[in-house]
Amino acid sequence: QSVVTQPPSASGAPGQRVTISCSGSSSNIGSNYVYWYQQFPGTAPKLLIYRNDQRPSGVPDRISGSKSGTSASLAISGLRSEDEADYHCAVWDDRLSGPVFGGGTKLTVL
Amino acid sequence: QVQLAESGPGLVKPSETLSLSCTVSNYFISDGFYWGWIRQPPGKGLEYIGYIYRTGDPYYSPSLRSRVTISLDMSKNQIFLSLTSVTAADTAVYYCARHATYLGSYKQGLDSWGHGTLVTVSS
Repeated sequence: QSVVTQPPSASGAPGQRVTISCSGSSSNIGSNYVYWYQQFPGTAPKLLIYRNDQRPSGVPDRISGSKSGTSASLAISGLRSEDEADYHCAVWDDRLSGPVFGGGTKLTVL
Repeated sequence: QVQLAESGPGLVKPSETLSLSCTVSNYFISDGFYWGWIRQPPGKGLEYIGYIYRTGDPYYSPSLRSRVTISLDMSKNQIFLSLTSVTAADTAVYYCARHATYLGSYKQGLDSWGHGTLVTVSS
């Protein structure tokens, strides 16, 4: 059981907006930056959001991240079929003195 | 742009030691950054294994601490992972990655990943 939790699955129709949550505690999300990764089958995770809400170059602005208290969220608007992938949150945990991952969320585009 | 490439045996027998290398290109590990290992069992989520800095001080995940060693060779620009007494539960894709930094803080996520290498534990 991870110290940071994500829903195992999420879904939405093309064009819709979907959010994926990442819930933690004061020792991780409450005091450190959250990172989000997108992963397609058979490939390495790709950095999608860093420091809670920053997008690397090349990531479209329909993808956004936010954080409030001990929870963070990834939002994807204007959902497209190519968004169907696994999404992982990651954050440093001060109690463990190392990073932890959420369990990952499989996003299905209906 | 930094590039990372994992290498090592794809098949390891139960109770033996898993040994992997990560070769870093376009950046000297002696110049800084924290370098980590992550694994992903088939069909499951990501698990953080540990990291190391150029000074050689490693961090290991509590769940693997008794069996894992991470080291580096700055002359070869490589990072190494050793996991002893492996079982089928250690079958996974193993990734090496670089930690981001921000305002001098290393308590960040990972910003560059290798492609990963599948290691299967089986007799």
